[in-house]
Amino acid sequence: GQSLEQPSEVTAVEGAIVQINCTYQTSGFYGLSWYQQHDGGAPTFLSYNALDGLEETGRFSSFLSRSDSYGYLLLQELQMKDSASYFCAVRAAGNKLTFGGGTRVLVKP
Amino acid sequence: EAGVVQSPRYKIIEKKQPVAFWCNPISGHNTLYWYRQNLGQGPELLIRYENEEAVDDSQLPKDRFSAERLKGVDSTLKIQPAELGDSAVYLCASRAGTGFQDEQFFGPGTRLTVL
Repeated sequence: GQSLEQPSEVTAVEGAIVQINCTYQTSGFYGLSWYQQHDGGAPTFLSYNALDGLEETGRFSSFLSRSDSYGYLLLQELQMKDSASYFCAVRAAGNKLTFGGGTRVLVKP
Repeated sequence: EAGVVQSPRYKIIEKKQPVAFWCNPISGHNTLYWYRQNLGQGPELLIRYENEEAVDDSQLPKDRFSAERLKGVDSTLKIQPAELGDSAVYLCASRAGTGFQDEQFFGPGTRLTVL
């Protein structure tokens, strides 16, 4: 089976940097995905890491260490619109996603 | 390009009643997923279709839940009878290809409340 752990909530101010850590235990690991979900909205894809290292997409970056079963999502230059829940998800065979419990990010002015 | 469409957006029913949710995936997407998301938690996979075939339904409570995707396009998820614990958001997602880089696109979900 799969299990993922991520912090439940993070609070930061506009312009700050936030790092959301995700540790996982899994069998059949192919990669780690990150999704953003605003309240009442649909989860939207942010990034996918299959190999060790850092992937950068604009203000968001994602990192993976397969040997440590660990990854993180880095949110830079925080904006009010970044207030949302962020989910890490393990991607396994059949493109099956198992999601963590989510980290609620609250950005304050 | 239209996204994943789901209806209804909200549904309130009494326990023991039946309920059905409908999903129309993005055109050309062969893979369709149904997830359940409880409040404050991540989505949990219920069933995955490749075209019209259910290839992973291991987490679908088959005593009361059923799903179909008859023509390999839109899909229906049904609960009969509903229980209080079924209150959740039911999300549909679709994916175009088979590569691991291919992301899943989610619909807005149906928020079910069972009274």
